[in-house]
Amino acid sequence: AQSVAQPEDQVNVAEGNPLTVKCTYSVSGNPYLFWYVQYPNRGLQFLLKYITGDNLVKGSYGFEAEFNKSQTSFHLKKPSALVSDSALYFCAVRDRGSTLGRLYFGRGTQLTVWP
Amino acid sequence: NAGVTQTPKFRVLKTGQSMTLLCAQDMNHEYMYWYRQDPGMGLRLIHYSVGEGTTAKGEVPDGYNVSRLKKQNFLLGLESAAPSQTSVYFCASSYTGGGTEAFFGQGTRLTVV
Repeated sequence: AQSVAQPEDQVNVAEGNPLTVKCTYSVSGNPYLFWYVQYPNRGLQFLLKYITGDNLVKGSYGFEAEFNKSQTSFHLKKPSALVSDSALYFCAVRDRGSTLGRLYFGRGTQLTVWP
Repeated sequence: NAGVTQTPKFRVLKTGQSMTLLCAQDMNHEYMYWYRQDPGMGLRLIHYSVGEGTTAKGEVPDGYNVSRLKKQNFLLGLESAAPSQTSVYFCASSYTGGGTEAFFGQGTRLTVV
């Protein structure tokens, strides 16, 4: 069964410090991996995705994520956090080998950046 | 270009009442999804569709039905609402499955009393 784990419910960082939001996954085949962000009372917005190739992918708003196949992880990172980055972040996975097209989400990590 | 539009944005139902949530997308996407979001549970897939006239069950389909009569619309129905269905519902669409990202609507906040 496909699953996505975000081991931290909350991450707190000071503005200007680097941030990491963790994600690990379990799929039967090779995954497509995604990160989304949700601001209060809004829908989810796409940040970045891993399809193939370079394990480090860059996305919107200065975010990047590193795919690690051996550790089955896809951690979201940013070198210097901003207060405006405070939001709920979701990791998502889709099984590359499946024709069903299901997109599974983790439980989310609340990021708070302190000024 | 409106993207994904959900109707209504808010609704309060009494236990046992029925209702339909409408999702419309104008991006010519094949795939459409209905999720529910509950505190601490993330997003859970209710039903999805990989094309006009097709639907499939997700993780938590019980108590819900869906229809995709037109490619641009995906309807979620609650036949007999229960308090356990109090949630925020999100519709999403993607061009295909695979590596294409999904686009989300603004959500529908449903309260069943």
